[in-house]
Amino acid sequence: EPEVTQTPSHQVTQMGQEVILRCVPISNHLYFYWYRQILGQKVEFLVSFYNNEISEKSEIFDDQFSVERPDGSNFTLKIRSTKLEDSAMYFCASNRQGAGNQPQHFGDGTRLSIL
Amino acid sequence: GENVEQHPSTLSVQEGDSAVIKCTYSDSASNYFPWYKQELGKGPQLIIDIRSNVGEKKDQRIAVTLNKTAKHFSLHITETQPEDSAVYFCAPYSGGGADGLTFGKGTHLIIQP
Repeated sequence: EPEVTQTPSHQVTQMGQEVILRCVPISNHLYFYWYRQILGQKVEFLVSFYNNEISEKSEIFDDQFSVERPDGSNFTLKIRSTKLEDSAMYFCASNRQGAGNQPQHFGDGTRLSIL
Repeated sequence: GENVEQHPSTLSVQEGDSAVIKCTYSDSASNYFPWYKQELGKGPQLIIDIRSNVGEKKDQRIAVTLNKTAKHFSLHITETQPEDSAVYFCAPYSGGGADGLTFGKGTHLIIQP
């Protein structure tokens, strides 16, 4: 069964540094998402992306964050100047039809640790 | 936005017994009600979902029931097995233009052997 894959599985970065998290969505999916999960807490929506532009974003997704689809397969989340509170699991998801009432398929996440 | 409450936060049951997790939501326009299972070190995986025109849906040992009047829906797992141990999240969707999911805080289900 096709999967969403994320790299790296664990990223350790110094505070203030830039970090890029990478995702390869399922190949015939057109809608892509990033979520964040702080340790022990719920999963929180960050941003959705379709047709090379942002569809929706949450209050968490401020100017420090950006997303990009640099080629036909990758979908990236960049944090420009990391803060301690950015430490979390980051999940990428995708679906075919791009509505919240259609199943979203999640990757296994990247654990981001900010020192 | 949607206000989502899940209960209980932790549920411990004997192997073979049933488990029920309840999710309460605030937006009466919600029309899609999925449950996700998250195992340790993994991303959330959809296990069952229901739409607002249906009251109950079953898939082998798991079922979801919906009460739109009371604005809650529940996950039922029967004949629980050790591999059911995980964190379960509900994510009711109101379709208000934002296509990101709003997750509940999760229920840690522990299956005691």
